[in-house]
Amino acid sequence: QSVLTQPPSVSGAPGQRVTISCTGSSSNIGTGYDVHWYQQLPGTAPKLLIYGNNNRPSGVPDRFSGSKSGTSASLAITGLRAEDEADYYCQSYDTSLGSSLYVFGTGTKVTVL
Amino acid sequence: EVQLVQSGAEVKKPGESLIISCKASGYSFTNYWIGWVRQMPGKGLEWMGIIYPDDSYTRYSPSFQGQVIISVDKSINTAYLKWSSLKASDTATYYCARRQGSGWNWWFDSWGQGTLVTVSS
Repeated sequence: QSVLTQPPSVSGAPGQRVTISCTGSSSNIGTGYDVHWYQQLPGTAPKLLIYGNNNRPSGVPDRFSGSKSGTSASLAITGLRAEDEADYYCQSYDTSLGSSLYVFGTGTKVTVL
Repeated sequence: EVQLVQSGAEVKKPGESLIISCKASGYSFTNYWIGWVRQMPGKGLEWMGIIYPDDSYTRYSPSFQGQVIISVDKSINTAYLKWSSLKASDTATYYCARRQGSGWNWWFDSWGQGTLVTVSS
């Protein structure tokens, strides 16, 4: 059972902006641990999209951006494109007793209308 | 270029044992932790455990402690995930991933292609 909650799905038309939330708690995001985001295209392995809340690895378009505040974080995709249709996962670190150290969000499916 | 190449798909029967592998290249294998992540069919990502190849120090998620064993052979830059007795509920795709970061902030910057394990009688 994931300790980071995301909406199951979001959708938008090409060119639009969509955001995905990632809600945690005081034992993970709220403690100050960074949030990272992964994109999983259909049938492929996850790929690092955002690290350290708002940093993009080389090659990731600047249409993708991240932010964090309190016990939550968000991923924004601007100028939505057909190739952005994928599952997106947030990830952080959790040190509560009995918890997995590396926690993933529940995942969000982005659909391009 | 950092690469993690996993072993191929497996079909096993309940009760059988299995080892899958993850071979690393393009970086100093002993300097980065390697984690394993499960993805059950149609479901999300679950962290299973992680190992430091230099000394084989390992941490497991409570959900997977005692269910699997993670090991490495640093002479061939390869990490392993082992089951002693598979169950149907182990059917999933398993990913290895390299950990990156510092302090208390860690992420997985490179991923293997995944190994599909199917357990069925």
